[in-house]
Amino acid sequence: DQQVKQNSPSLSVQEGRISILNCDYTNSMFDYFLWYKKYPAEGPTFLISISSIKDKNEDGRFTVFLNKSAKHLSLHIVPSQPGDSAVYFCAARDSSNTGKLIFGQGTTLQVKP
Amino acid sequence: DAGVIQSPRHEVTEMGQEVTLRCKPISGHNSLFWYRQTMMRGLELLIYFNNNVPIDDSGMPEDRFSAKMPNASFSTLKIQPSEPRDSAVYFCASSFGQGVMVAKNIQYFGAGTRLSVL
Repeated sequence: DQQVKQNSPSLSVQEGRISILNCDYTNSMFDYFLWYKKYPAEGPTFLISISSIKDKNEDGRFTVFLNKSAKHLSLHIVPSQPGDSAVYFCAARDSSNTGKLIFGQGTTLQVKP
Repeated sequence: DAGVIQSPRHEVTEMGQEVTLRCKPISGHNSLFWYRQTMMRGLELLIYFNNNVPIDDSGMPEDRFSAKMPNASFSTLKIQPSEPRDSAVYFCASSFGQGVMVAKNIQYFGAGTRLSVL
């Protein structure tokens, strides 16, 4: 039972354009969400996060939006750069079991020069 | 700091053999996590420790899997006997914090161990 779903396995965008990565969740007890980025042969690294009390968090070219009613969050990258090409994982924290994160399957982003 | 260190980076073994994966967390971190990455399920949490104590092992697939953390600087994940379906990339991560603060304190991942069971 996937509580965090990234339904698009892959996404390809042109350099300079916007990349939008989506994530859906089912558990209303999730209160904190994170995005991680992973390059080949490396471990995931933290990118950006958002608390459930907010609907937007911005950090440079990266913005995460949270729509609690739809149980949906998205990561926007503007402008996209070839170095952004990686696998992006969405993760969520369960407020009733705060020690763990639930990760999605990941979306592979390719930014073409 | 050197970050989270995992060994070996690659492991190829035959079905039925015992496999031991090792992890050295970042010094000063008090939470340690073992994950498995597969194409179908993404990153699955297998088990996590807080202050060397296993807190949640609900993700451990079956009794063939076991994990230990004898001290704050070392953890092992053991599979005995190994099966082809165990083939995956196994990640270790560490963070600092406790309870509600653990997840807000970012998890730092090692480079992973790619396990192939033939």
